[in-house]
Amino acid sequence: AQSVTQLGSHVSVSEGALVLLRCNYSSSVPPYLFWYVQYPNQGLQLLLKYTTGATLVKGINGFEAEFKKSETSFHLTKPSAHMSDAAEYFCAVLQAGKSTFGDGTTLTVKP
Amino acid sequence: DAMVIQNPRYQVTQFGKPVTLSCSQTLNHNVMYWYQQKSSQAPKLLFHYYDKDFNNEADTPDNFQSRRPNTSFCFLDIRSPGLGDAAMYLCATSRGLPNNQPQHFGDGTRLSIL
Repeated sequence: AQSVTQLGSHVSVSEGALVLLRCNYSSSVPPYLFWYVQYPNQGLQLLLKYTTGATLVKGINGFEAEFKKSETSFHLTKPSAHMSDAAEYFCAVLQAGKSTFGDGTTLTVKP
Repeated sequence: DAMVIQNPRYQVTQFGKPVTLSCSQTLNHNVMYWYQQKSSQAPKLLFHYYDKDFNNEADTPDNFQSRRPNTSFCFLDIRSPGLGDAAMYLCATSRGLPNNQPQHFGDGTRLSIL
Protein backbone atom coordinates (compact mmCIF):
# COMPACT_ATOMS: atom_id res chain seq x y z
CA ALA A 1 0.00 0.00 0.00
CA GLN A 2 1.11 3.53 -0.65
CA SER A 3 0.72 6.61 1.50
CA VAL A 4 1.66 10.25 1.47
CA THR A 5 2.43 12.50 4.42
CA GLN A 6 2.60 16.25 4.07
CA LEU A 7 4.26 17.81 7.08
CA GLY A 8 2.59 21.03 8.07
CA SER A 9 -1.01 21.65 7.14
CA HIS A 10 -0.35 25.39 7.04
CA VAL A 11 2.77 27.20 5.92
CA SER A 12 3.14 30.97 5.98
CA VAL A 13 5.94 32.88 4.25
CA SER A 14 6.65 36.48 3.38
CA GLU A 15 6.57 37.62 -0.22
CA GLY A 16 9.99 37.01 -1.72
CA ALA A 17 10.97 34.35 0.81
CA LEU A 18 11.78 30.72 0.11
CA VAL A 19 8.86 28.32 -0.08
CA LEU A 20 9.38 24.78 1.20
CA LEU A 21 6.49 22.32 1.34
CA ARG A 22 7.33 18.87 2.62
CA CYS A 23 6.15 15.54 1.30
CA ASN A 24 7.15 12.04 2.35
CA TYR A 25 5.78 8.91 0.78
CA SER A 26 5.74 5.19 1.24
CA SER A 27 5.44 2.88 -1.71
CA SER A 28 6.18 -0.77 -2.29
CA VAL A 29 7.43 -0.06 -5.80
CA PRO A 30 9.33 2.83 -7.37
CA PRO A 31 6.88 5.70 -7.15
CA TYR A 32 5.47 8.15 -9.58
CA LEU A 33 5.17 11.42 -7.66
CA PHE A 34 3.22 14.57 -8.37
CA TRP A 35 2.53 17.98 -6.88
CA TYR A 36 -0.79 19.66 -7.58
CA VAL A 37 -2.00 23.15 -6.68
CA GLN A 38 -5.61 24.02 -5.92
CA TYR A 39 -6.95 27.57 -5.86
CA PRO A 40 -10.25 28.30 -4.09
CA ASN A 41 -13.26 26.76 -5.81
CA GLN A 42 -11.15 25.22 -8.54
CA GLY A 43 -9.86 21.79 -9.42
CA LEU A 44 -6.32 20.55 -9.00
CA GLN A 45 -3.69 21.73 -11.43
CA LEU A 46 -0.50 19.79 -12.07
CA LEU A 47 2.62 21.65 -10.92
CA LEU A 48 5.23 19.01 -11.68
CA LYS A 49 5.85 15.27 -11.77
CA TYR A 50 8.59 12.74 -11.23
CA THR A 51 8.38 9.45 -13.10
CA THR A 52 11.92 8.44 -14.02
CA GLY A 53 15.22 10.11 -14.84
CA ALA A 54 16.47 13.32 -13.32
CA THR A 55 15.62 13.59 -9.66
CA LEU A 56 15.34 17.38 -9.68
CA VAL A 57 12.14 18.25 -11.46
CA LYS A 58 11.13 21.71 -12.59
CA GLY A 59 7.50 22.68 -12.90
CA ILE A 60 5.31 25.62 -13.67
CA ASN A 61 5.29 28.96 -11.85
CA GLY A 62 8.93 28.60 -10.77
CA PHE A 63 8.39 25.55 -8.55
CA GLU A 64 10.69 22.57 -8.40
CA ALA A 65 10.95 19.38 -6.40
CA GLU A 66 13.66 16.85 -5.72
CA PHE A 67 13.05 13.12 -5.46
CA LYS A 68 15.24 11.65 -2.71
CA LYS A 69 14.85 7.92 -2.59
CA SER A 70 16.99 7.49 0.53
CA GLU A 71 14.74 9.90 2.42
CA THR A 72 11.50 8.86 0.67
CA SER A 73 10.84 12.53 0.14
CA PHE A 74 9.63 14.79 -2.63
CA HIS A 75 9.70 18.29 -1.17
CA LEU A 76 8.43 21.24 -3.19
CA THR A 77 10.39 24.48 -3.28
CA LYS A 78 10.31 27.91 -4.84
CA PRO A 79 13.12 30.42 -4.29
CA SER A 80 10.92 33.50 -4.02
CA ALA A 81 7.25 33.45 -3.03
CA HIS A 82 4.71 35.56 -4.86
CA MET A 83 1.32 36.60 -3.58
CA SER A 84 -0.29 34.56 -6.34
CA ASP A 85 1.26 31.39 -4.89
CA ALA A 86 -1.23 31.42 -2.01
CA ALA A 87 -3.21 28.20 -2.46
CA GLU A 88 -3.57 24.60 -1.30
CA TYR A 89 -0.85 22.19 -2.40
CA PHE A 90 -1.23 18.43 -2.65
CA CYS A 91 1.47 15.82 -3.02
CA ALA A 92 0.38 12.56 -4.65
CA VAL A 93 1.73 9.10 -5.32
CA LEU A 94 0.50 7.25 -8.38
CA GLN A 95 0.40 3.48 -8.46
CA ALA A 96 -1.65 1.09 -10.58
CA GLY A 97 -3.37 4.04 -12.18
CA LYS A 98 -4.71 5.46 -8.92
CA SER A 99 -3.44 8.45 -7.01
CA THR A 100 -3.09 8.68 -3.25
CA PHE A 101 -3.07 12.27 -2.07
CA GLY A 102 -1.59 13.83 1.00
CA ASP A 103 -3.86 15.91 3.21
CA GLY A 104 -2.63 19.12 1.65
CA THR A 105 -0.70 22.17 2.78
CA THR A 106 -2.23 25.62 2.72
CA LEU A 107 0.34 28.20 1.71
CA THR A 108 -0.20 31.77 2.89
CA VAL A 109 1.98 34.55 1.48
CA LYS A 110 2.28 37.72 3.54
CA PRO A 111 3.02 41.07 1.91
CA ASP B 1 -7.89 24.04 -25.39
CA ALA B 2 -8.50 20.42 -24.50
CA MET B 3 -10.00 20.23 -21.09
CA VAL B 4 -12.25 18.68 -18.47
CA ILE B 5 -15.54 20.47 -17.93
CA GLN B 6 -17.90 19.99 -15.03
CA ASN B 7 -21.46 21.17 -14.92
CA PRO B 8 -22.93 22.77 -13.00
CA ARG B 9 -20.27 24.53 -10.91
CA TYR B 10 -22.69 24.87 -8.02
CA GLN B 11 -25.59 22.55 -7.30
CA VAL B 12 -28.15 22.79 -4.53
CA THR B 13 -30.47 19.91 -3.84
CA GLN B 14 -32.81 18.82 -1.09
CA PHE B 15 -32.16 16.11 1.40
CA GLY B 16 -33.08 12.80 -0.23
CA LYS B 17 -33.68 14.25 -3.72
CA PRO B 18 -31.62 12.52 -6.43
CA VAL B 19 -29.01 14.64 -8.13
CA THR B 20 -26.73 14.13 -11.12
CA LEU B 21 -23.40 15.83 -11.73
CA SER B 22 -21.83 15.76 -15.15
CA CYS B 23 -18.32 15.77 -16.54
CA SER B 24 -17.11 15.97 -20.11
CA GLN B 25 -13.64 15.84 -21.60
CA THR B 26 -12.06 16.77 -24.90
CA LEU B 27 -8.76 15.02 -24.12
CA ASN B 28 -9.90 11.62 -25.41
CA HIS B 29 -8.50 10.04 -22.27
CA ASN B 30 -9.25 6.44 -21.41
CA VAL B 31 -9.75 6.93 -17.70
CA MET B 32 -12.28 9.11 -15.90
CA TYR B 33 -12.38 9.51 -12.14
CA TRP B 34 -14.79 10.93 -9.60
CA TYR B 35 -13.48 12.33 -6.34
CA GLN B 36 -15.25 13.75 -3.29
CA GLN B 37 -13.42 16.55 -1.52
CA LYS B 38 -14.59 17.99 1.78
CA SER B 39 -13.29 21.23 3.19
CA SER B 40 -9.56 21.23 3.96
CA GLN B 41 -9.24 17.55 3.06
CA ALA B 42 -7.58 15.58 0.31
CA PRO B 43 -9.70 14.38 -2.61
CA LYS B 44 -11.18 10.95 -1.92
CA LEU B 45 -11.57 8.61 -4.87
CA LEU B 46 -15.12 7.30 -5.27
CA PHE B 47 -14.71 5.29 -8.49
CA HIS B 48 -13.23 5.38 -11.94
CA TYR B 49 -13.82 4.07 -15.44
CA TYR B 50 -11.07 2.63 -17.58
CA ASP B 51 -12.81 2.84 -20.92
CA LYS B 52 -16.09 1.02 -20.17
CA ASP B 53 -14.77 -0.89 -17.19
CA PHE B 54 -16.16 0.44 -13.91
CA ASN B 55 -13.98 0.29 -10.79
CA ASN B 56 -15.63 1.08 -7.49
CA GLU B 57 -13.66 1.87 -4.35
CA ALA B 58 -14.44 -0.50 -1.51
CA ASP B 59 -15.63 2.23 0.84
CA THR B 60 -17.80 4.16 -1.63
CA PRO B 61 -21.40 4.14 -0.37
CA ASP B 62 -24.05 2.47 -2.54
CA ASN B 63 -25.78 5.82 -2.65
CA PHE B 64 -23.19 6.91 -5.23
CA GLN B 65 -23.44 5.58 -8.77
CA SER B 66 -21.78 6.47 -12.04
CA ARG B 67 -22.44 6.18 -15.76
CA ARG B 68 -20.14 6.61 -18.72
CA PRO B 69 -22.20 6.50 -21.91
CA ASN B 70 -19.23 7.30 -24.15
CA THR B 71 -15.57 8.32 -23.99
CA SER B 72 -16.34 11.99 -23.50
CA PHE B 73 -18.95 11.98 -20.76
CA CYS B 74 -19.22 10.65 -17.25
CA PHE B 75 -21.98 11.21 -14.70
CA LEU B 76 -22.13 10.98 -10.93
CA ASP B 77 -25.54 10.09 -9.53
CA ILE B 78 -26.34 10.50 -5.86
CA ARG B 79 -29.56 8.60 -5.28
CA SER B 80 -30.57 9.98 -1.89
CA PRO B 81 -28.25 12.79 -0.80
CA GLY B 82 -27.68 13.21 2.89
CA LEU B 83 -26.24 16.20 4.70
CA GLY B 84 -22.88 14.43 4.84
CA ASP B 85 -22.69 14.37 1.07
CA ALA B 86 -22.25 18.13 0.85
CA ALA B 87 -18.83 18.53 -0.70
CA MET B 88 -16.88 19.49 -3.78
CA TYR B 89 -17.01 16.76 -6.43
CA LEU B 90 -14.06 16.62 -8.77
CA CYS B 91 -13.88 14.84 -12.09
CA ALA B 92 -10.48 13.92 -13.48
CA THR B 93 -9.12 12.12 -16.51
CA SER B 94 -5.90 10.43 -17.45
CA ARG B 95 -4.48 8.71 -20.46
CA GLY B 96 -4.24 5.38 -18.68
CA LEU B 97 -1.19 4.03 -20.44
CA PRO B 98 1.66 4.35 -19.89
CA ASN B 99 0.83 3.95 -16.25
CA ASN B 100 2.58 7.08 -15.06
CA GLN B 101 0.36 9.77 -16.47
CA PRO B 102 -0.87 12.67 -14.33
CA GLN B 103 -4.53 13.41 -13.90
CA HIS B 104 -6.30 16.37 -15.43
CA PHE B 105 -8.98 17.85 -13.20
CA GLY B 106 -12.12 19.82 -13.87
CA ASP B 107 -12.98 22.80 -11.69
CA GLY B 108 -15.43 20.77 -9.66
CA THR B 109 -19.08 20.97 -8.69
CA ARG B 110 -19.83 22.23 -5.21
CA LEU B 111 -22.87 20.39 -3.90
CA SER B 112 -25.02 21.81 -1.12
CA ILE B 113 -27.80 19.89 0.60
CA LEU B 114 -30.78 21.71 2.09
